[in-house]
Amino acid sequence: KAGVTQTPRYLIKTRGQQVTLSCSPISGHRSVSWYQQTPGQGLQFLFEYFSETQRNKGNFPGRFSGRQFSNSRSEMNVSTLELGDSALYLCASSFWRNTDTQYFGPGTRLTVL
Amino acid sequence: KNEVEQSPQNLTAQEGEFITINCSYSVGISALHWLQQHPGGGIVSLFMLSSGKKKHGRLIATINIQEKHSSLHITASHPRDSAVYICAVRWNYGGATNKLIFGTGTLLAVQP
Repeated sequence: KAGVTQTPRYLIKTRGQQVTLSCSPISGHRSVSWYQQTPGQGLQFLFEYFSETQRNKGNFPGRFSGRQFSNSRSEMNVSTLELGDSALYLCASSFWRNTDTQYFGPGTRLTVL
Repeated sequence: KNEVEQSPQNLTAQEGEFITINCSYSVGISALHWLQQHPGGGIVSLFMLSSGKKKHGRLIATINIQEKHSSLHITASHPRDSAVYICAVRWNYGGATNKLIFGTGTLLAVQP
């Protein structure tokens, strides 16, 4: 069974631009969560999607948004990029919510110049 | 104060040593995860615990819900165990809402 895939793996953008990251969960998994990892703040929860609905959201500004499609694939979007958005963005999938092990993708390394 | 505290932050061990990493948390949780992250970013979920103890190979994880504390033990450590180990708790903060809160990680280096 293929693991969680994320595209693109690396991305360079400039301030003010927007970016869309994609996550394809393990086949059959319905829950997708997104995380941001930076050297200063560590890992932080962004949001969780299950059955195309956002179930939980972390403490991030409205510039961060996401969605999930009927095939469980998920995208996250960051608008009006700031230098501080430079980070590794990870997604993780699980079959069900809350009580299942999460399987992480390799991440997308975003650099904002 | 962070809701999830890990200790130590850095740990250097000799191959074969028994290693313990600790995690304390201050919120009500439904589960606790131990994650392993190697250089380059890939994260692997090692354990998910809601009570008691779990063992997988040379790794053992325990949790004490009353004391809000968990430990990850590595027996007969090996250089390939060198990684960052991260504790994360699934925090119940109202009804069906919950989210993962992460500790800052423990950087483990096992020397041959």
